Amino acid sequence: EDQVTQSPEALRLQEGESSSLNCSYTVSGLRGLFWYRQDPGKGPEFLFTLYSAGEEKEKERLKATLTKKESFLHITAPKPEDSATYLCAVKVNFNKFYFGSGTKLNVKP
Amino acid sequence: EAGVAQSPRYKIIEKRQSVAFWCNPISGHATLYWYQQILGQGPKLLIQFQNNGVVDDSQLPKDRFSAERLKGVDSTLKIQPAKLEDSAVYLCASTGTGGAFFGQGTRLTVV
Repeated sequence: EDQVTQSPEALRLQEGESSSLNCSYTVSGLRGLFWYRQDPGKGPEFLFTLYSAGEEKEKERLKATLTKKESFLHITAPKPEDSATYLCAVKVNFNKFYFGSGTKLNVKP
Repeated sequence: EAGVAQSPRYKIIEKRQSVAFWCNPISGHATLYWYQQILGQGPKLLIQFQNNGVVDDSQLPKDRFSAERLKGVDSTLKIQPAKLEDSAVYLCASTGTGGAFFGQGTRLTVV
C-alpha cells in the first residue's frame, strides 16, 4: 500500500537554529516527490519537485533532498516567517498524489 | 498565469443542509482533484478527474457527496445532507505534467 509518513509532527526552533524535516515513503512507481508550504487558512503552496534519488533543490533557506526511501527538507538559519506547515506528497501512476500529514514548524524570534 | 479558483471561501451550514463548492482549475490542466483537509491533517483525496471522467472516487462518501466536471473544465462538489464531521477545508487542485497546484480552499463549518 502506498504510504507517506512525515516527522516530526511539530517542530519548534529558535530563529537561526537549523534543522531538518523528514518524509519517508513506500510507493510503487514514483513519478515525483513534492514539498509544499501551507499557511493557516490557505491552500498548500508548491515549493519543490524532486524526481530521482540524489537530486537536490534549493530556495532561500530551504533545501530539499531525495533518496530512494525518503526526502529531507533542510531549513538553514530559519526566520519567524518560515513558520508554517510543510507537506510532502508523492506522485505515482495515473497522476495520483499521496500526502503526508505534515510537519508544523514554529520559529521563535 | 491564473491559479486555481475556488468559491466560496467560507461556508457555515446546519447539519442535514446541503452545500456546493465550485472550482476552476488552471487553464489546460486535464487532471482535477478534490481534497478534504481536517485540521491538523494532510489533504485526503475525495475524487480525481481526468478531463470529464472520474479516475478515482474510492474515498468519496457517495451516500452524501457528489462531484461533477461536465465539460472537463470547472467542477462542483456537493454535500447533501451535511454531517458535523464534514467540517473541514475542501481543497481543489489541478495538475498538468508536474506538481499539483491548489486553490485557497473552502472552509466548511457544519453546526
